[in-house]
Amino acid sequence: QVQLVQSGAEVKKPGASVKVSCKASGYTFTGYYMHWVRQAPGQGLEWMGWINPNSGGTNYAQKFQGRVTMTRDTSISTAYMELSRLRSDDTAVYYCARDPADIVVVAVKYYFDYWGQGTLVTVSS
Amino acid sequence: QSALTQPPSASGSPGQSVTISCTGTSSDVGGYNYVSWYQQHPGKAPKLMIYEVSKRPSGVPDRFSGSKSGNTASLTVSGLQAEDEADYYCSSYAGSFVVFGGGTKLTVL
Repeated sequence: QVQLVQSGAEVKKPGASVKVSCKASGYTFTGYYMHWVRQAPGQGLEWMGWINPNSGGTNYAQKFQGRVTMTRDTSISTAYMELSRLRSDDTAVYYCARDPADIVVVAVKYYFDYWGQGTLVTVSS
Repeated sequence: QSALTQPPSASGSPGQSVTISCTGTSSDVGGYNYVSWYQQHPGKAPKLMIYEVSKRPSGVPDRFSGSKSGNTASLTVSGLQAEDEADYYCSSYAGSFVVFGGGTKLTVL
């Protein structure tokens, strides 16, 4: 069965960086795009971007351009999302979420069929 | 990249039907058939309920249905059950990015 298991909660100071991991199992990691979505406390969902685990290609939301870096390690089926120059309003639960599009056959579908459990990132001085 | 507009709350009694709207523009909801809906219980990750406007993933009850007219998409939950009480989010492809709605809290009375 498809599983996305994320790294544990983080506490960071303003200006620091955070790197969240997402380990995939139960499917071919390089066969499906991976998105990152965040949710501030009591707020809605916000899309951050995606990575093509096969090529390493990325597409970031305009809001996060210059601050976010998505990478992957295919040898351990793990995707990473690093956010730099953290601010207090970056406090949120960060989710990885799989796109159902088969990378070989179709383009990104921009919806999410499997989600990680979420990683709480708290930014506080 | 404005968020899609959803009512903040909706409610219905067990067995009743409730419809949640999601209004966007011709650049997102109205321009593509890539509207999806997610259910989120407190403290849990979102769950895909509807994709490509009206398709249900395997395992989602057929009480959940989706539709779209112009720039507005809708999620209908028929035969409301207690476990349907949750937050619901719509999302749409908007041309190389995704936009979400603000979420609707569904209460089963």
